[in-house]
Amino acid sequence: DSGVTQTPKHLITATGQRVTLRCSPRSGDLSVYWYQQSLDQGLQFLIQYYNGEERAKGNILERFSAQQFPDLHSELNLSSLELGDSALYFCASSVDSGGNFGAQYFGPGTRLLVL
Amino acid sequence: ELKVEQNPLFLSMQEGKNYTIYCNYSTTSDRLYWYRQDPGKSLESLFVLLSNGAVKQEGRLMASLDTKARLSTLHITAAVHDLSATYFCAVYSGYALNFGKGTSLLVTP
Repeated sequence: DSGVTQTPKHLITATGQRVTLRCSPRSGDLSVYWYQQSLDQGLQFLIQYYNGEERAKGNILERFSAQQFPDLHSELNLSSLELGDSALYFCASSVDSGGNFGAQYFGPGTRLLVL
Repeated sequence: ELKVEQNPLFLSMQEGKNYTIYCNYSTTSDRLYWYRQDPGKSLESLFVLLSNGAVKQEGRLMASLDTKARLSTLHITAAVHDLSATYFCAVYSGYALNFGKGTSLLVTP
């Protein structure tokens, strides 16, 4: 158990819908990262927040957005869902802003299925 | 754009044998990470390599980093079935981890 929690574990929804994925980082970690894992794209970095502020963006679609709240939990919002958005979404956390000095610790993931 | 290539992508090996997984990356970085993922599970951190020449060992796994060659290796010694999993290397690009496609390892009796 990495100490990173994610809810829900599974999510089934329809195309065009909007969902919210939630992540709580390890105690003491200020950075939260979101990754998408799919068979065709592999593991892709989406976005990073550090202490409430957006720090970096990766291959995140405009239909997706995220935020980090004062208690450091983070939410990833996915809207106008398409079949291709079906994937495993991981949240990771680290104590520093860039994971420079240690690993990023991954949560259990949310498996999203868009029908 | 930083590219991370792992090979092989699939590896079937017998218990007791040794093998090496390679991770090449395209631009300068002195921070490389190895993760393990079991089917349907999350990623577990195995090694953090933070400098040229770094070598770390845990049980039957040993990882090394050559930043000049832009190469990391994950060496498996005397494989056992419990090591069956997918292994990812990831290179830090300045703001995020860039992952390789993973090496699916199957250890058979």
